[in-house]
Amino acid sequence: QSVLTQPPSVSGAPGQRVTISCTGSSSNIGAGYAVHWYQQLPGTAPKLLIYGNNNRPSGVPDRFSGSKSGTSASLAISGLQAEDEADYYCQSYDSSLSGSYVFGTGTKVTVL
Amino acid sequence: QVQLVESGGGVVQPGRSLRLSCAASGFTFSSYAMHWVRQAPGKGLEWVAVISYDGSNKYYADSVKGRFTISRDNSKNTLFLQMNSLRAEATAVYYCARREDYYGSGSYLNWFDPWGRGTLVTVSS
Repeated sequence: QSVLTQPPSVSGAPGQRVTISCTGSSSNIGAGYAVHWYQQLPGTAPKLLIYGNNNRPSGVPDRFSGSKSGTSASLAISGLQAEDEADYYCQSYDSSLSGSYVFGTGTKVTVL
Repeated sequence: QVQLVESGGGVVQPGRSLRLSCAASGFTFSSYAMHWVRQAPGKGLEWVAVISYDGSNKYYADSVKGRFTISRDNSKNTLFLQMNSLRAEATAVYYCARREDYYGSGSYLNWFDPWGRGTLVTVSS
């Protein structure tokens, strides 16, 4: 059972902006641990999308942006495109758990 | 280019064992910590285990502690996951991923990048 909660699904028309929330607690995001985001296209492995709350790896379009505040983080996709249809996961670290790497519940983005 | 290729998955009966491998190439394997992450069919990602660059430190999710063992052979650029006493709930695609570390401005961050394509483990009688 994940300690980071995401909405199961979000949708938008091409060109629109959508946001995905990632809600944690005082033992993970609220404790200051960074949030990272991964994109999983259908039938493929996850791929790093955002690291360190708001940094894009080389090759990731600037349509993707991340932010963090308090015990939550968000991923925004602006100018939504058909190829953005995928599952998105946030990830952080939790000091209350052994080992302590935690993923969000995942959000399916549908392009209408 | 950096590549991770998992192998060793398959169908196994409950209570039996299986060993997964992850072959790394394109980077200095012995300099990086490595993870195993799994994804049950139709479900989200679950972190399984991590091992330090030299194998001296290992950490596990509570769900696998005592039954799974992570290890590595730096001479062969290979990561392993030994899974014992398998249960049906272990059915999943197992991914290996490199731990990317960042030190800067008084902070330390790490994330999962890249990921392998995964290997499917099915625990069924």
